Amino acid sequence: AQSVTQLDSQVPVFEEAPVELRCNYSSSVSVYLFWYVQYPNQGLQLLLKYLSGSTLVKGINGFEAEFNKSQTSFHLRKPSVHISDTAEYFCAVIETGANNLFFGTGTRLTVIP
Amino acid sequence: EPEVTQTPSHQVTQMGQEVILRCVPISNHLYFYWYRQILGQKVEFLVSFYNNEISEKSEIFDDQFSVERPDGSNFTLKIRSTKLEDSAMYFCASSGAGGLYNEQFFGPGTRLTVL
Repeated sequence: AQSVTQLDSQVPVFEEAPVELRCNYSSSVSVYLFWYVQYPNQGLQLLLKYLSGSTLVKGINGFEAEFNKSQTSFHLRKPSVHISDTAEYFCAVIETGANNLFFGTGTRLTVIP
Repeated sequence: EPEVTQTPSHQVTQMGQEVILRCVPISNHLYFYWYRQILGQKVEFLVSFYNNEISEKSEIFDDQFSVERPDGSNFTLKIRSTKLEDSAMYFCASSGAGGLYNEQFFGPGTRLTVL
């Protein structure tokens, strides 16, 4: 069975500081990895995804994530956050051969002025 | 920019009543999904739909749930007899050709409250 763990339910960070949102997964098969962001009163928007190739993936809004197979992690990072980055961030996986996204519990990022 | 829309944004219903949640996926997309998020919990997969039939469903998607694509634009989720534990945010999503690993575009959600 698969699982996605986002250990940090809330992350407060000052504006222009760096941030890392952690995601670990477990699965008996290969997975594809995603990060989604949810702004208040909006749907989920894809930030970035890892399917294959380079383990460092760059996404929208200056975010990037690195796939680490040995540590089964896919942490999201941004070197300098803005107030507008305040949102809920969800890590998700699709197992090869599966048909659906499996989400973590989410991390609420709050950027403090 | 094309987007997935959902109506209503908030639905309040009495326990035991039927509800229909509506979604308009992006027009040229072929794969359609429903997810739900109970308050404070993770987003959970309910069902995927392709070529006018269910392609996969989760354990949550029991006989009380059904999906339909009644015309070329709408995609609906029906709950026949709502229970208190059906209260959640319901998200519709769609994706294009290449389906599973292409980006799933999500709608803004419908908040269902069962009293």
